[in-house]
Amino acid sequence: EPEVTQTPSHQVTQMGQEVILRCVPISNHLYFYWYRQILGQKVEFLVSFYNNEISEKSEIFDDQFSVERPDGSNFTLKIRSTKLEDSAMYFCASNGGRNEKLFFGSGTQLSVL
Amino acid sequence: LAKTTQPISMDSYEGQEVNITCSHNNIATNDYITWYQQFPSQGPRFIIQGYKTKVTNEVASLFIPADRKSSTLSLPRVSLSDTAVYYCLVGDLASGNTPLVFGKGTRLSVIA
Repeated sequence: EPEVTQTPSHQVTQMGQEVILRCVPISNHLYFYWYRQILGQKVEFLVSFYNNEISEKSEIFDDQFSVERPDGSNFTLKIRSTKLEDSAMYFCASNGGRNEKLFFGSGTQLSVL
Repeated sequence: LAKTTQPISMDSYEGQEVNITCSHNNIATNDYITWYQQFPSQGPRFIIQGYKTKVTNEVASLFIPADRKSSTLSLPRVSLSDTAVYYCLVGDLASGNTPLVFGKGTRLSVIA
């Protein structure tokens, strides 16, 4: 089965630093998503992206977050100035159409110190 | 998006059939019901999706009554490896809205 790939698997950063989380969605997919999950809590939607623009975003996705598809294969999430409360597992997901099932990556565990 | 309610946790012995019920009283006409499974430190994985009656695949069955206000995920003969969190999501696929909202899910523990 095709996979969504995320790098790095773990990222440790100091508060206030910028981080970029990287994802390679499944090659023929058109819709891309970022979710996060704080330890012990539920999976939370951050943003969806289609046709090189954000299609939906949650209230969590504030001005410190941004997404980009810099080339034909990567999809990135940037956090400009990390806060302690940004510590979470960040999942990238993709699908071929808005009606189709989501394929999730294995996640990047972000720890902000 | 319709709100869903599931039991917080369930326990089962290996080999038993497990049924997890999800309530979605305000489900809309165009909403589909989708279930995902999540193992620790992994992303959610699609299990099954349905609109009405019964859907079966190689992993599970999904039972949806006529009023569609609830649904039941059935896992036949569970094993230890089925220990995971199971999420029920409800969303309007007809309008192109992927169900985006995960609830707290049901934590299934399978015991030997």
